Amino acid sequence: SQQGEEDPQALSIQEGENATMNCSYKTSINNLQWYRQNSGRGLVHLILIRSNEREKHSGRLRVTLDTSKKSSSLLITASRAADTASYFCARGGGSNYKLTFGKGTLLTVNP
Amino acid sequence: GAVVSQHPSWVICKSGTSVKIECRSLDFQATTMFWYRQFPKQSLMLMATSNEGSKATYEQGVEKDKFLINHASLTLSTLTVTSAHPEDSSFYICSALLPRLANSPLHFGNGTRLTVT
Repeated sequence: SQQGEEDPQALSIQEGENATMNCSYKTSINNLQWYRQNSGRGLVHLILIRSNEREKHSGRLRVTLDTSKKSSSLLITASRAADTASYFCARGGGSNYKLTFGKGTLLTVNP
Repeated sequence: GAVVSQHPSWVICKSGTSVKIECRSLDFQATTMFWYRQFPKQSLMLMATSNEGSKATYEQGVEKDKFLINHASLTLSTLTVTSAHPEDSSFYICSALLPRLANSPLHFGNGTRLTVT
């Protein structure tokens, strides 16, 4: 499958630091989406960036997209302990609206 | 808005029994819902696409006779794990798509933890 692949697989930082997660994909996209999952729960949509966009902000989140490198990054600034979760990128493409998820980055923010 | 309710949140059943999981869109009509399966510390694997009023589209390798999907109304899709076995133990998550919105994000239920003993 044409999964997105996040790196790192796990990231541990201190509160107040910034966290950067990267996502790579292999085929063309209509959009790329980032989701958050708390342990044992469903996914929450964070941000969607279209293929013709290069950067997008939402609160403490900043997402970039480089279609030439087929990669995206999610930056969480001034992290908080409550940001501890798994973060997934998902490639959106095609008329059937199916999303293909990567393996995720487990972010731990230590108080 | 765009709330998806999934029920039950967890279930324990014995081998050989069937389990039904419900996924409801509470404040919108979802013509398309997706069912995912997630193993511990792994990604979501798409099992099938559920379309209201028509047969579900299953991903390669997913047994349609084992994982029965019914999308009888615009707000409800159900996944029935038939003759469950311990290897079916997993976290099942549904999601719904707001209709007729290009580049629309998915709205997820909170998942169902299935344990087959």
